[in-house]
Amino acid sequence: QVQLVESGGGVVQPGRSLRLSCAASGLTVNNYVMHWVRQAPGKGLEWVAVIATDGIDKMYADSVKGRFTISRDNSRNTLYLEMNRIRPEDAAIYYCAREGPHGSGRCGYFDYWGQGTPVTVSS
Amino acid sequence: DIQMTQSPSTLSASVGDRVTITCRASQSINNWLAWYQHKPGVAPKLLIYGASSLESGVPPRFSGSGSGAEFTLTISSLQPDDFATYYCQQYNNYSPTFGQGTKVEIK
Repeated sequence: QVQLVESGGGVVQPGRSLRLSCAASGLTVNNYVMHWVRQAPGKGLEWVAVIATDGIDKMYADSVKGRFTISRDNSRNTLYLEMNRIRPEDAAIYYCAREGPHGSGRCGYFDYWGQGTPVTVSS
Repeated sequence: DIQMTQSPSTLSASVGDRVTITCRASQSINNWLAWYQHKPGVAPKLLIYGASSLESGVPPRFSGSGSGAEFTLTISSLQPDDFATYYCQQYNNYSPTFGQGTKVEIK
C-alpha cells in the first residue's frame, strides 16, 4: 500500500529557510517522477516542483524558481523540498505526490498524495 | 501557463442529484486532463485521468468527458461522501495547472 507522509512544516519568519520531507512507503521514490503541490489558505492547488526518475531533471513553478530546491534521498526513500528566502505568499499546506503512469510525456497527473504539512509564514 | 477555469465555483445539491462540473482550458490540451476530489485535512484523491479514464477503485457514478479545451465531470447520483471540492488539472505541458475548484455543498 502506497503511503506518503510529509513533515517539516511549521512557523517560519519571512526570509528564513525550511526543509520539508516526504517519507514514502509502498513505493520506491527513485522509480517515479515525484512532485510537490501546495494549497495556500482559501486558495486552490498550485504545482510547485518536479523531480524526474534520474534525479537530475528538475523543474519549478516560476513563483519558487531560484528559491526552492527539490531533491530525494534514495537510501531513505524520501523526497525533500528545501525552501529558502521564504515569502509570506509561500504560506500553504505542502503536499508531495507521485506522478501517475499515463502522463503526456511532458507532465502527468498525480495518483498518490500525502496528507500535507502546513507552512505558516509569520514574523 | 495554461489557465484552467472551472464552473460553477460553488454548487448546492441534494443526495441523489446528477451533478456536472465544467472545466475550460485557455488552449487545447488534447485529453491531458485529470479530476480530483479534495476534502479538508485529507489527501486529494484522483478520480479521472486522460479526461475520461476512471482511476481504479473510484465508483462508477463518477465520469469524465470532453476533449480539446472543454471538459466535464459528472456525478450521476450524488452520495453523502461526495460533498467536497473538485479540481481539474491539465498536464499537457511542462507546467501543470489546476482549476480554481468547485465546492459541492449540501442543499
